[in-house]
Amino acid sequence: AQKVTQAQTEISVVEKEDVTLDCVYETRDTTYYLFWYKQPPSGELVFLIRRNSFDEQNEISGRYSWNFQKSTSSFNFTITASQVVDSAVYFCALIPDTGFQKLVFGTGTRLLVSP
Amino acid sequence: GAVVSQHPSRVICKSGTSVKIECRSLDFQATTMFWYRQFPKQSLMLMATSNEGSKATYEQGVEKDKFLINHASLTLSTLTVTSAHPEDSSFYICSARDLVAGGFTDTQYFGPGTRLTVL
Repeated sequence: AQKVTQAQTEISVVEKEDVTLDCVYETRDTTYYLFWYKQPPSGELVFLIRRNSFDEQNEISGRYSWNFQKSTSSFNFTITASQVVDSAVYFCALIPDTGFQKLVFGTGTRLLVSP
Repeated sequence: GAVVSQHPSRVICKSGTSVKIECRSLDFQATTMFWYRQFPKQSLMLMATSNEGSKATYEQGVEKDKFLINHASLTLSTLTVTSAHPEDSSFYICSARDLVAGGFTDTQYFGPGTRLTVL
C-alpha cells in the first residue's frame, strides 16, 4: 500500500522560530520519489522539492531544509527563522515506481506564522 | 520555467449548465496532465489522468460522463463539468507532468486552480 502521513494537522509559531513539518511514507517499491508542495491561501500548489529514493543526502535551500531518512521512512521539512509569508498548507507526496505517475498526497500541515 | 495556467480562476454558474476549465502548460510540453478536486481544508483528490491523444483514465468513483476530459494537444487539457449541480462546487486543480528527457525524474507542476460555485 502507498501512503503518506502528515500527523501534524496545524502548527502555530511566532516569526523567527524554526519549525519542522513531519512526513512519513509507506511504499513497497524500492524506487520512488518524494515531494513537498506549498499551498498558500491563493490556492496554487508550489513545488518545493523532489527527492528520489536513492539519494539520501539532505538538502538545504535558503531557509528550507529537508531530512530524508529511509530507515524511518521519513522526509521531514524544516523552515528556519520562519516568516509570515511561510504561512500556508504544506503537502508531502509520494510517487512510487509502480504508481503510474500518480502523486499520493498526505493530508497536509497548516502552518501559521504570526508576527 | 514549468508554468501551468488555468482558466477561469473562478466561475459561478446555475445548476444544470456545463462549465469548461482549461489547463495549459506554458513553457513545456505535457504528455500527461492530472485533474484534482479539493474540498475546503482537505487534501487533493485525484479525479483523472489525462494523456495527450488518448482517453482519460478516471479514478474509482469519478463519473466520466459528468467530468469530461479532453487532452487535445501537448499543452492543453480541458475539464468540462456537465450538468453541474451544487454538490459539484469545489476547487479544481490541474497539474502537468514535466518529464526530464531520458529519465523518470519528472515533476508535476500545478495550475492556480479554478473555484467553481454552482448555484
